[in-house]
Amino acid sequence: GAVVSQHPSWVICKSGTSVKIECRSLDFQATTMFWYRQFPKQSLMLMATSNEGSKATYEQGVEKDKFLINHASLTLSTLTVTSAHPEDSSFYICSARDYFSGANVLTFGAGSRLTVL
Amino acid sequence: SQQGEEDPQALSIQEGENATMNCSYKTSINNLQWYRQNSGRGLVHLILIRSNEREKHSGRLRVTLDTSKKSSSLLITASRAADTASYFCATDGGGGGNKLTFGTGTQLKVEL
Repeated sequence: GAVVSQHPSWVICKSGTSVKIECRSLDFQATTMFWYRQFPKQSLMLMATSNEGSKATYEQGVEKDKFLINHASLTLSTLTVTSAHPEDSSFYICSARDYFSGANVLTFGAGSRLTVL
Repeated sequence: SQQGEEDPQALSIQEGENATMNCSYKTSINNLQWYRQNSGRGLVHLILIRSNEREKHSGRLRVTLDTSKKSSSLLITASRAADTASYFCATDGGGGGNKLTFGTGTQLKVEL
């Protein structure tokens, strides 16, 4: 079945630095990927929709300059948290849809836990 | 925005018992899906039910959908300790962008 690889699985960084998280579809092409943020014991909050070859579509309230998304190929999307601060600490999850599967079913990465000191 | 509300928020049962989780939503949908999340991991798709379907089965899972009440339920029969996880419903409104809207989730704990 479809597999999405997300790296790193966890990262600790100092306040003010930038962190990049990668999301790869391993055995299918993903024209669209989604990035979510999840707080402990809460649901997923959609941050943005990443479209291959075009600009990402951000949800209301999500800072575009803070969370940079690049979808340069059909199998890779990256999320860069710029100038990270402790309040950016969270669990970030990506997902992708296998366009040719015929159903809007998402395959998720394992998530990346970001801790900003 | 999160449109799905799930109840209960948390559920603790004994192994072998059935677990029922409910999901309510607010707008029309093309389909409704259920996902499972183990602690600290990504979500795994369990089952999809289309808006013109009322019930669907997959192994020990049974999903119902009542579009008139805008609600769905997930039943896990003969639960196992390995079923311990959070369960989320997600609605596909069919609009552009293929976005799914996730519910608030139910944390299920199955005890031996």
